[in-house]
Amino acid sequence: DVKVTQSSRYLVKRTGEKVFLECVQDMDHENMFWYRQDPGLGLRLIYFSYDVKMKEKGDIPEGYSVSREKKERFSLILESASTNQTSMYLCASREGRGRGSTEAFFGQGTRLTVV
Amino acid sequence: GDSVTQMEGPVTLSEEAFLTINCTYTATGYPSLFWYVQYPGEGLQLLLKATKADDKGSNKGFEATYRKETTSFHLEKGSVQVSDSAVYFCALIPGGSYIPTFGRGTSLIVHP
Repeated sequence: DVKVTQSSRYLVKRTGEKVFLECVQDMDHENMFWYRQDPGLGLRLIYFSYDVKMKEKGDIPEGYSVSREKKERFSLILESASTNQTSMYLCASREGRGRGSTEAFFGQGTRLTVV
Repeated sequence: GDSVTQMEGPVTLSEEAFLTINCTYTATGYPSLFWYVQYPGEGLQLLLKATKADDKGSNKGFEATYRKETTSFHLEKGSVQVSDSAVYFCALIPGGSYIPTFGRGTSLIVHP
């Protein structure tokens, strides 16, 4: 059974802290994504990666960075957490470019609260 | 750019009622289309998909048909159950791309 695993279901962090959200997939997928989900706004793409050490900005990259040192792992970093980054964070992975028919697989989500 | 528009919710139905959730899209090329479901506190799970015009995706009693002429992919179910209560997302991936684009989601509430 395919799996995308996020390291935490729930996190509470203080304003100004550096926060790491980890995501691991076991499907040997080239592409990995970080989204945030907020009520009424749906899923918004923060960053994505199409290969090891490669990354590109999504629609809302401000205040975030990412790291992909190994194919199976994609980390989202909040450099200095702020209360407006309180949200549900979803990691996803997918096969490589051009294979439009294959779906993205999602982790269970991390609900982050910044106080 | 590519976009997906879903009907706003919440959609509130009684058990055994007929369900339609509308989805229309704008995309370059020939996208693949998807419906995902999210149960409370969980990530998204694929519900069904269609990869070319006139394809019908189906799963667990849900169906959607890829209509290229109307750029639509409406989700339907003949008889909903309380356990279908969830948020439903329509999504597309353009041909030759790898980035999924999602609609805003539609909340479905089914009462006994």
